[in-house]
Parts: sequence; C-alpha cells; structure tokens
Amino acid sequence: EVQLVESGGYLVQPGGSLRLSCAASGFTFSSYWMTWVRQAPGKGLEWVANIKRDGSEKYYVDSVEGRFTISRDDAKNSVYLQMNSLRAEDTAIYYCARGTYLLGSRHMDVWGRGTTVTVSS
Amino acid sequence: DIQMTQSPSSLSASVGDRVTITCRASQSISTYLNWYQQKPGKAPQLLIYAASTLQSGVPSRFSGSGSGTDFTLTISSLQPEDFATYYCQQSYSAPREFTFGPGTKVDFK
Repeated sequence: EVQLVESGGYLVQPGGSLRLSCAASGFTFSSYWMTWVRQAPGKGLEWVANIKRDGSEKYYVDSVEGRFTISRDDAKNSVYLQMNSLRAEDTAIYYCARGTYLLGSRHMDVWGRGTTVTVSS
Repeated sequence: DIQMTQSPSSLSASVGDRVTITCRASQSISTYLNWYQQKPGKAPQLLIYAASTLQSGVPSRFSGSGSGTDFTLTISSLQPEDFATYYCQQSYSAPREFTFGPGTKVDFK
C-alpha cells in the first residue's frame, strides 16, 4: 500500500524550531519529488516546499524562505522539514505529499494524514 | 506570482444536483490546473489533473474543463460523499511554485 506518514508536530514557542518527518512506503521513493503543504486552522491549503528526486533542487513559498529547509534521505524513504524561527502564523497542519509528473502535469497524488504544529507562548 | 480565485466560496446543494465550481488564474496557465477534494478532518485527495484528466479511482461524475485562465469542475449528480471542500491548484510555475485557490465548500441545502 502506498503510504505517507508524518510525525514531529508539537507545541513550540515563537522563535523556536521543529523538525517534521514523513516516512514513505509502498513506492520507489527515490523516483519522486516530495512536497510539504500546510493548512492553518479553518483556512485553505498552502504549498510550502518541494524537493527534487535527487535533492538537487528545492523550492519554498516566500513566507518560509530562509527559515524552513526541506531535505530527504532516500535510504530511509523519508522527507523532512526543518522549521526555524517559528511564528504564530506557522501554526497549521502540515501534510507531506508525493509529487507526480504525468502527461506534462505536476500534481500531488498521494498525501499523508498530516501532523499538527502549534506555535504559541 | 500566479494568483488563483474560485467561485463561489461556498454553495448549498442537494443529492442529485449538478454542481459547477469555477477557478480563475491571474494569467494564462494553459491546462496546468489540478483539482483536489478535502473532507473535514481528512487530507486532500487528487481528483483531476491537467485540467481534465480524471485521477485513477475517481468517479466519472466528476469532470474538469478549461484552459488559459478559466477552469470548471463539474459534479454531474451530487452524492452524499461529495459534500466537501474543493481546491484548484496551478502547476504552471511548478516545481518552483504551486498555488492553491481559496477553496469552495459544498454543503447540504
């Protein structure tokens, strides 16, 4: 079964750091881009970051550029999101998703259940 | 940056209704448009990619159309399990950037 399982969400103070993990199974992890998407309470979806198959390209939404770092370990079938200098507006459910390229289209076809990050004093 | 809008922001419908949701991009994105469904407390699920291609396993009552700046998601006959929030997403500027629309919530009339 193709599956993504996130972990690492926690309550953290403003200015603090957190590292999210996403464990993949059921597919050849190294063949796919991976993505983090977040959803603030009661709000819509926001793309956060992408990482290429070999980790050579990484992209971020402007609001997290310089604070968040996406990385991957293909030996562990895992993707990570290191979050530093956290702000209240980073409070959200963070979803890990698989990026697929098919028929010229890039889309997210497998999603984890999410992990909750709360930034509050 | 490409901005996405959706209309309506919410709608009320009954089982069996035909439902249409519109998504508009701030510039032409060809057919680089995806649709996702999200039920309360659940992760999003891919419905349609490349504007009109149905994801495997998605019922045929869902369809997508459009190109350029204007796109439509249609549910031909609304079923009880379709009450959810629907998001469009542009992938024209991917992988550098993805942008989601604000969502359209479909609930019971």
